[in-house]
Amino acid sequence: AQKITQTQPGMFVQEKEAVTLDCTYDTSDQSYGLFWYKQPSSGEMIFLIYQGSYDEQNATEGRYSLNFQKARKSANLVISASQLGDSAMYFCAMRVLNQAGTALIFGKGTTLSVSS
Amino acid sequence: SAVISQKPSRDICQRGTSLTIQCQVDSQVTMMFWYRQQPGQSLTLIATANQGSEATYESGFVIDKFPISRPNLTFSTLTVSNMSPEDSSIYLCSVEEGGEYGYTFGSGTRLTVV
Repeated sequence: AQKITQTQPGMFVQEKEAVTLDCTYDTSDQSYGLFWYKQPSSGEMIFLIYQGSYDEQNATEGRYSLNFQKARKSANLVISASQLGDSAMYFCAMRVLNQAGTALIFGKGTTLSVSS
Repeated sequence: SAVISQKPSRDICQRGTSLTIQCQVDSQVTMMFWYRQQPGQSLTLIATANQGSEATYESGFVIDKFPISRPNLTFSTLTVSNMSPEDSSIYLCSVEEGGEYGYTFGSGTRLTVV
């Protein structure tokens, strides 16, 4: 079965420190995509970063990087130099094939709290 | 990336009534997705809506409870019918941008059923 697992319900970090949010996935597909989204308390979903299963290099977007370890089926998000505005819920997601075509499935999320 | 306008942003409804949520996209898209996020939970896919065909529902969701319309390539509605307090959730629509651009989401509808 296709599944995303986020085992950290909450993480705490101080400003300017780096933090890693864990994500493991399960799929039998050879081609898949992994995504991270940020959801502030306002409820909107903000796309952060994408990693394709055939991408040989880890994805990076500004302060966000994705530590992709294909053999271990992990796709951890690293946020460098945390800021107070990074406090939010973070979701790992995977694009899967379903009866309608493709769709995203989500992990349970990790709440990140950044303190000064 | 696509811009999605979702309405209403929030509503408080009486049990037994229905609410229709609208999503308007500023570009033509093939598929639109509807998600539910129950309080403190993750996002669960309700259905996928293709223009000109009936929506495809995920296990646990039925058309009588969540009818969806997709009249054209830029618009879709989700109705939450015969509501109960258990339907209190955030409902989000989404479109696929393709490849590395991920999926764009509407701003969500925060529904409370009393």
